[in-house]
Amino acid sequence: DSGVTQTPKHLITATGQRVTLRCSPRSGDLSVYWYQQSLDQGLQFLIQYYNGEERAKGNILERFSAQQFPDLHSELNLSSLELGDSALYFCASSRGPGGATDTQYFGPGTRLTVL
Amino acid sequence: AQSVTQPDIHITVSEGASLELRCNYSYGATPYLFWYVQSPGQGLQLLLKYFSGDTLVQGIKGFEAEFKRSQSSFNLRKPSVHWSDAAEYFCAVGAQRGGADGLTFGKGTHLIIQP
Repeated sequence: DSGVTQTPKHLITATGQRVTLRCSPRSGDLSVYWYQQSLDQGLQFLIQYYNGEERAKGNILERFSAQQFPDLHSELNLSSLELGDSALYFCASSRGPGGATDTQYFGPGTRLTVL
Repeated sequence: AQSVTQPDIHITVSEGASLELRCNYSYGATPYLFWYVQSPGQGLQLLLKYFSGDTLVQGIKGFEAEFKRSQSSFNLRKPSVHWSDAAEYFCAVGAQRGGADGLTFGKGTHLIIQP
């Protein structure tokens, strides 16, 4: 158990809908990262927040957005969902603002199925 | 841009035999390198990481990896595998400064253990 929690574990929805994925980092961690894991694209970095501020952006679609709240939990919002958004979404957290020396600990993931 | 290649999609090893999983990276400077393992239904667990110094890195669960700059490789090894090692293994490279790019992962190698 990494100490990173994600809810829900599974989510099934329809195309065009909007969903919110939630992540609570390990106690004391200030950074939260979001990754998408799909069969065709593999594991891709989406976005990072550090202490409430966006720190880095990866391959995140405009239909997706995220935020980190004062209590440091984070939410990933996915809107206008398409079939291709079906994937496993991971959250990771780290102590500091990032950098490879700042080890990322991953949560169990949320499996999103878009029908 | 940085990239990671794991040439083997699947590897089958007999229990008790030795294991080597290949990883090649592309990065403009000295990379920070990681190996993660993902068991079915689980998040990613960090096995080991390389930042600098000794090119042979020891990790958890009896794994080790060797950084070879001349070959741009960071292969993962274990002298004797156990059935519980069956999982998906991911090699990743991190940005050297600031973590602004998140982690870049390879496509993964699926390890199958034969009894």
